[in-house]
Amino acid sequence: GENVEQHPSTLSVQEGDSAVIKCTYSDSASNYFPWYKQELGKRPQLIIDIRSNVGEKKDQRIAVTLNKTAKHFSLHITETQPEDSAVYFCADPSGNTPLVFGKGTRLSVIA
Amino acid sequence: GAGVSQSPRYKVAKRGQDVALRCDPISGHVSLFWYQQALGQGPEFLTYFQNEAQLDKSGLPSDRFFAERPEGSVSTLKIQRTQQEDSAVYLCASSLAGFDQPQHFGDGTRLSIL
Repeated sequence: GENVEQHPSTLSVQEGDSAVIKCTYSDSASNYFPWYKQELGKRPQLIIDIRSNVGEKKDQRIAVTLNKTAKHFSLHITETQPEDSAVYFCADPSGNTPLVFGKGTRLSVIA
Repeated sequence: GAGVSQSPRYKVAKRGQDVALRCDPISGHVSLFWYQQALGQGPEFLTYFQNEAQLDKSGLPSDRFFAERPEGSVSTLKIQRTQQEDSAVYLCASSLAGFDQPQHFGDGTRLSIL
């Protein structure tokens, strides 16, 4: 992955609302797109990932969508809870190149 | 072990000293990665091993950084003649094989150079 841009850099939502974070990538050979959650002082944790042969994947309140034509993938969190507050990173490898991480989105869920 | 283990969790060193950071990956994971994470930034790739072979070290900032994984399991990242700009969290991750498999991270080593 040569370049991955992540937006927004910060996001505040009311508890119960949805949050959407978007990443764009440049390499059309990219085929695997993970999302990581990192709480303050803790390790990044993989929360969901998607491969290029799938357009959408869901896991309870979390979903990821992939638009290969537009070269972007998005993280969707529904019914947000205070414990969802963290920094979220997307990442992009291109098969056999190192993961390139986005700059992160700091999500704050306000109770 | 159940997860990726890193030690020490915190390391304070004086400028010019050498440091060694250890990573114990998930048992059976072929691939091992080292990342550097500056405050408020995403992890940045340093180097990658497949078993004992270091296949990519393109992210190492200088020749003061050296990593090894002699038996294809535990890895050590060594920084010689440390400088203040080396202060960061150093994260280790492992995966079953390759870049397009889920990577599982350790808690990291927070390195502070005085």
